[in-house]
Amino acid sequence: QSALTQPPSASGSLGQSVTISCTGTSSDVGGYKYVSWYQKHPGKAPKLMIYEVNNRPSGVPDRFSGSKSGNTASLTVSGLQAEDEADYYCFSYAGTKHYIFGGGTKLTVL
Amino acid sequence: EVQLVESGGGLVQPGGSLRLSCADSGFTLSSFWITWVRQGPGKGLQLVATINPDGRLRYYGDSVEGRFTISRDNAKNSVYLQVSSVRVDDSAIYHCATHNDWRLANWGQGTLVTVSS
Repeated sequence: QSALTQPPSASGSLGQSVTISCTGTSSDVGGYKYVSWYQKHPGKAPKLMIYEVNNRPSGVPDRFSGSKSGNTASLTVSGLQAEDEADYYCFSYAGTKHYIFGGGTKLTVL
Repeated sequence: EVQLVESGGGLVQPGGSLRLSCADSGFTLSSFWITWVRQGPGKGLQLVATINPDGRLRYYGDSVEGRFTISRDNAKNSVYLQVSSVRVDDSAIYHCATHNDWRLANWGQGTLVTVSS
């Protein structure tokens, strides 16, 4: 099964907003509410930022938000800060205990 | 709070084997599904294997099916990944994560596996 499609890169200036997309099919992103997003800094463990499309775990700033329309999920980071510069991955349930990652997006804060 | 620690990585020759471990010294893992995820050099995250709390259900990524085996010993509060018949493209940092409720909530820092002759 191929990875979910994410743009390889995204960028925004300090304080601005940026949205990262994650496109799948009706068998994964479009078929379930179980899309999550992870932040990955080099040398660090991945960190859960959004689960079930638009829920934030405790401790994640409310600058991070998620949404979904059809087969595409999105992560929006508002009020960009320098520490938001990282790789971001989407992750979706694909039925029958199968899951799939997106290819990852490198977010650069200008 | 769950704090996972992976160990067992190292240098292995193509065709060789290693056993990776995932443990949490302060929290019981027995109620969690656990998933191994890897990241090769310059690559994205890739789901490797998943095991349910009692160890009876196991799922594998296509690229490791038949070569890797996930298991657990709840008495030792540990989950294992036996990596066998390794190839150069299995070189990666291997992370374990709790995988309940359709999300990977808690992650370890990872252990590095390098496959080289």
